[in-house]
Amino acid sequence: GENVEQHPSTLSVQEGDSAVIKCTYSDSASNYFPWYKQELGKRPQLIIDIRSNVGEKKDQRIAVTLNKTAKHFSLHITETQPEDSAVYFCAASRAGTASKLTFGTGTRLQVTL
Amino acid sequence: KAGVTQTPRYLIKTRGQQVTLSCSPISGHRSVSWYQQTPGQGLQFLFEYFSETQRNKGNFPGRFSGRQFSNSRSEMNVSTLELGDSALYLCASSFRQGDTEAFFGQGTRLTVV
Repeated sequence: GENVEQHPSTLSVQEGDSAVIKCTYSDSASNYFPWYKQELGKRPQLIIDIRSNVGEKKDQRIAVTLNKTAKHFSLHITETQPEDSAVYFCAASRAGTASKLTFGTGTRLQVTL
Repeated sequence: KAGVTQTPRYLIKTRGQQVTLSCSPISGHRSVSWYQQTPGQGLQFLFEYFSETQRNKGNFPGRFSGRQFSNSRSEMNVSTLELGDSALYLCASSFRQGDTEAFFGQGTRLTVV
């Protein structure tokens, strides 16, 4: 089955700096890659996603890149703010949808003042 | 519009008992997925229901089961509870099985003692 590895497990950056979280997946048939943000005690929320026919997608300060050949995708957050502090999960699905997502183990991002 | 509602929020059960968790999806949503979240394993897919039928199943033992009712509400049941079943159980709903965004509930925190 699909396996998704996520690095780093913890990341501390200063406010205004950029943060990068990387994930690799094992199933070459995976074609949908969402990123979820989970604040302490709250539910995971979708922040951005990308399909396998796209190499990069950007939404304001957040961007995701996908390298199908290397089977890895990354989340980039620019101009980080304290409210970006949370646990971020990458995920992969071969269904092209949010069906049967395989998640990475999460990255705890801490943005310090 | 009400979000995904999971009940109860917290549960404490004894080893060997069984438990039933409930999930009410967003009004109009017909697809419901269940995930187990633990510190060590992260988010793991349990099963997905659409139109009262199980469409996908994760790699969990048969002690974990679920069902979906005609109003799209879903329940999951865990029989013969083990200490390792202690986790946050999250439910996510989508309008239909082919959607790319899954909306998560707050989860049910199950503790097995």
